[in-house]
Amino acid sequence: SAVISQKPSRDICQRGTSLTIQCQVDSQVTMMFWYRQQPGQSLTLIATANQGSEATYESGFVIDKFPISRPNLTFSTLTVSNMSPEDSSIYLCSVGDRGSNQPQHFGDGTRLSIL
Amino acid sequence: GNSVTQMEGPVTLSEEAFLTINCTYTATGYPSLFWYVQYPGEGLQLLLKATKADDKGSNKGFEATYRKETTSFHLEKGSVQVSDSAVYFCALSDPGGGADGLTFGKGTHLIIQP
Repeated sequence: SAVISQKPSRDICQRGTSLTIQCQVDSQVTMMFWYRQQPGQSLTLIATANQGSEATYESGFVIDKFPISRPNLTFSTLTVSNMSPEDSSIYLCSVGDRGSNQPQHFGDGTRLSIL
Repeated sequence: GNSVTQMEGPVTLSEEAFLTINCTYTATGYPSLFWYVQYPGEGLQLLLKATKADDKGSNKGFEATYRKETTSFHLEKGSVQVSDSAVYFCALSDPGGGADGLTFGKGTHLIIQP
């Protein structure tokens, strides 16, 4: 299975600032996904990132708040913009392949706390 | 839309007890079904999967069978260990598995006491 590295692993940020999270995969993958896990909660899909096109956002998430880049088949970034304490969560990257029956694999996540 | 319902936790068991964590789903068509595990302070790891009706996924002594007639994918283990303490998530994706985002249940916190 793919090895997924996320950076940073954790951060503490000030209200109103922005943070960019990186996701690097050791092989080319078609689909990359970003999820949010709020404290004590399940995972919620933020968006799907395809190379060469704009990300597709789920209901309740917008590009201005969570801009995503996908410059190639092994890398993606998620930015959490103008952060507030409500953005304190674990943000996870996962990867999958279109048309494949293989499950998604996840990185270890970025633990983000907003003061 | 798709949804996954799993039993609320925490579930507390003694070591060597039998484990069942219930999971039922609502989806159009025939989704792929997964169990993921999250150990304290770590990311999600795939525990097992099933992609069609009557498939049984198994790994590390855990098993789950895809039951289309009851739309269920219950997780079982015959004898749990302290090291199995973690949060377990049931999830589904549309057919094809890797092409779509996953829909997760709320997670079940399992605590195994020695």
